[in-house]
Amino acid sequence: LAKTTQPISMDSYEGQEVNITCSHNNIATNDYITWYQQFPSQGPRFIIQGYKTKVTNEVASLFIPADRKSSTLSLPRVSLSDTAVYYCLVGDRTGGFKTIFGAGTRLFVKA
Amino acid sequence: NAGVTQTPKFRVLKTGQSMTLLCAQDMNHEYMYWYRQDPGMGLRLIHYSVGEGTTAKGEVPDGYNVSRLKKQNFLLGLESAAPSQTSVYFCASSSGHRTDTQYFGPGTRLTVL
Repeated sequence: LAKTTQPISMDSYEGQEVNITCSHNNIATNDYITWYQQFPSQGPRFIIQGYKTKVTNEVASLFIPADRKSSTLSLPRVSLSDTAVYYCLVGDRTGGFKTIFGAGTRLFVKA
Repeated sequence: NAGVTQTPKFRVLKTGQSMTLLCAQDMNHEYMYWYRQDPGMGLRLIHYSVGEGTTAKGEVPDGYNVSRLKKQNFLLGLESAAPSQTSVYFCASSSGHRTDTQYFGPGTRLTVL
């Protein structure tokens, strides 16, 4: 399973765009990139998933360069309620299973 | 459609006591998981199951046992609780498809004195 590296914490202000980058140098051909969000005292919640290029949904965008060795989660115009921990995971289910959540990135949005 | 539910929400045990945490999902998912999360840390996988009647060890299985007798339920047991098992326990489920995503329950906060 590919190891991921994310910043430990980030600060932002309401209304700004936030970009969180995840490094995954050992990503395998079959691996997908998935981001989860976790609020205090709650379980993680799926945000977005992608394999290459760009994926966008109603919550966020995910940018993946051609070499796929990193990915960037983009949160447009954050609000106070976006304060949470964001986890980047890399892997797939083919040939077995393991899931490793790192420490994630703690995003703190200020007024 | 309740998603993933966990019972109980809170529990306090004394060292050496036993207990069982129950996880239930109503999404007909094949895969189910148990994680623990210590303060300020990420989630660590304890055990998982890829289908009814199957279980497998994750990252930190010692001190825990699991059973998946029914597809919709996944039980986590602590036979002799230790203070080091004080944590928040999360259950999750997923479809098992290649690009599947996990759906988490609300968590159980366990304190072992």
